[in-house]
Amino acid sequence: SQQGEEDPQALSIQEGENATMNCSYKTSINNLQWYRQNSGRGLVHLILIRSNEREKHSGRLRVTLDTSKKSSSLLITASRAADTASYFCAPARSNDYKLSFGAGTTVTVRA
Amino acid sequence: GAVVSQHPSWVICKSGTSVKIECRSLDFQATTMFWYRQFPKQSLMLMATSNEGSKATYEQGVEKDKFLINHASLTLSTLTVTSAHPEDSSFYICSAGSTPGLAVNEQFFGPGTRLTVL
Repeated sequence: SQQGEEDPQALSIQEGENATMNCSYKTSINNLQWYRQNSGRGLVHLILIRSNEREKHSGRLRVTLDTSKKSSSLLITASRAADTASYFCAPARSNDYKLSFGAGTTVTVRA
Repeated sequence: GAVVSQHPSWVICKSGTSVKIECRSLDFQATTMFWYRQFPKQSLMLMATSNEGSKATYEQGVEKDKFLINHASLTLSTLTVTSAHPEDSSFYICSAGSTPGLAVNEQFFGPGTRLTVL
């Protein structure tokens, strides 16, 4: 498995604003997943995007994937206090059953 | 959606004792479960991969005799921290994966167990 690197390390925004974070990886992949972790909790699966997809939406989340640049972005629109969490990406090949996580992006949404 | 539970959610024990953490997939059968450890403000580190009916596969640097993993059924995996010491204090998270129709590496995580060794 390979590890993604999230950027920025931390992000502080006002409620209602959008939050964008990026993930870069090194080798070719078949899919990339984004997870959220609230403080002191396990990870919650947010979205999976496959290598043949460029963009995917789920509610207020928008994920893009650029395989030529080996990068992905996660956009949270109209942020809420409940979006305060750490966000992790997990790039993987189809035969990777294990996941590796980077340091994540810690998002703080201020009321 | 797939639900994974962990028990206990937190545990405090004395140095030298053993602690067992359970991980259950509640609404699906998980042939593979994963155990992670997370130190404060750090990422999850995979400790081992647990396969039902066979021995666990440990990541490099993880002591298999200290962290005993048993995956006796398709819905239960246990992690036993033997002779725990203060440096074993951490947040332990399990996940389950490989449900039909999903990507082979899509995982569902438990809520975690906070272990504090005094």
